[in-house]
Amino acid sequence: GAGVSQSPSNKVTEKGKDVELRCDPISGHTALYWYRQRLGQGLEFLIYFQGNSAPDKSGLPSDRFSAERTGESVSTLTIQRTQQEDSAVYLCASTAYLGTRSYEQYFGPGTRLTVT
Amino acid sequence: TQLLEQSPQFLSIQEGENLTVYCNSSSVFSSLQWYRQEPGEGPVLLVTVVTGGEVKKLKRLTFQFGDARKDSSLHITAAQPGDTGLYLCAGADSGGGADGLTFGKGTHLIIQP
Repeated sequence: GAGVSQSPSNKVTEKGKDVELRCDPISGHTALYWYRQRLGQGLEFLIYFQGNSAPDKSGLPSDRFSAERTGESVSTLTIQRTQQEDSAVYLCASTAYLGTRSYEQYFGPGTRLTVT
Repeated sequence: TQLLEQSPQFLSIQEGENLTVYCNSSSVFSSLQWYRQEPGEGPVLLVTVVTGGEVKKLKRLTFQFGDARKDSSLHITAAQPGDTGLYLCAGADSGGGADGLTFGKGTHLIIQP
């Protein structure tokens, strides 16, 4: 079956503009995560959606960042008034809970955002 | 906040050599995953270890979960250039949700032919 897909794969934008990144999770996966990965770094958690529960926004770095998810399908991450420090790869992952002891995540290829 | 520390941060070795990378924490995890990420791609799950002391083998890769479920290691035998990549460990606690998965910063591995 299809994996997690993200679009666009690359986005170059001018400082101050808004951008919208899209994630299509694996069908049937109830949980969806957004991460940010700066060049050469590990993953920085941004936001988490689980079913119809309120999202965990604890990782969002500022109020310029927001995300939505429709049911258990597509999610969009929006960055308003982009800054150069927002340049990074934005990764989306989805997971199907396999019980209480395993949270295997399946990642998309990411969107590389460059703010000029 | 749970913290996973990976070491070494960078490792460059010759093809055919053996290596071990470590993932350590002061916290107990209900399970731990290892991912490999290649340039321009998202991380790909390699293995999940669940039981303290568990050892799993994936061809030339051997993964071990510490007895106390606080640490893990990845050992690669006879490394190949195709093993090059960023290796990430991620620990899950029993609480579920995003808090249940903590990523280390990764080990950048380069295998030179």
